[in-house]
Amino acid sequence: GESVGLHLPTLSVQEGDNSIINCAYSNSASDYFIWYKQESGKGPQFIIDIRSNMDKRQGQRVTVLLNKTVKHLSLQIAATQPGDSAVYFCAVREAAGNKLTFGGGTRVLVKP
Amino acid sequence: GAVVSQHPSWVICKSGTSVKIECRSLDFQATTMFWYRQFPKQSLMLMATSNEGSKATYEQGVEKDKFLINHASLTLSTLTVTSAHPEDSSFYICSASGVPNTIYFGEGSWLTVV
Repeated sequence: GESVGLHLPTLSVQEGDNSIINCAYSNSASDYFIWYKQESGKGPQFIIDIRSNMDKRQGQRVTVLLNKTVKHLSLQIAATQPGDSAVYFCAVREAAGNKLTFGGGTRVLVKP
Repeated sequence: GAVVSQHPSWVICKSGTSVKIECRSLDFQATTMFWYRQFPKQSLMLMATSNEGSKATYEQGVEKDKFLINHASLTLSTLTVTSAHPEDSSFYICSASGVPNTIYFGEGSWLTVV
């Protein structure tokens, strides 16, 4: 089965600085990776995704990097804002179906 | 706007009773729906995968007779927690998938069993 882990459970960052959240996965057959943001009491909110045939993808203020060699992906948030304070999860899809396995989550706290 | 709707958003029920949570895809046909539960300060744990018109596939350790899942149409899946107990209190979240690489999450349903 798949197991997904995170390196840092809590990340405190100064407003305006960049944030980097890391995630490791174990199944080399995983083909699709998603980062979600979850605010307290709400469902996961899609941030950005990347397929296994890519190693980098950029969105608005966010970048996801995928290193399939070491089975690691990261989420970079540029110019972190107070509204970015939330828990961030990586989710990994195995090659078959849309079943996602979630990482443990990292709480991002933005200090003004 | 939301493309996956869950109802109710929160529910309180008495121990021993059953409660049903609905998950609807609003503007697409969801061939597959997933049910997760999340305890405070923890990650989402997949409970079961529900395919329209067939029996749900439950993850290891999830009691299928306790968590009844029905996916009778391409836009609706329901999770019924039977004979609920306080330890079933949790945040239940569904996601719906249509075409590949499209996975939408609902806003979740808070269940409190008293």
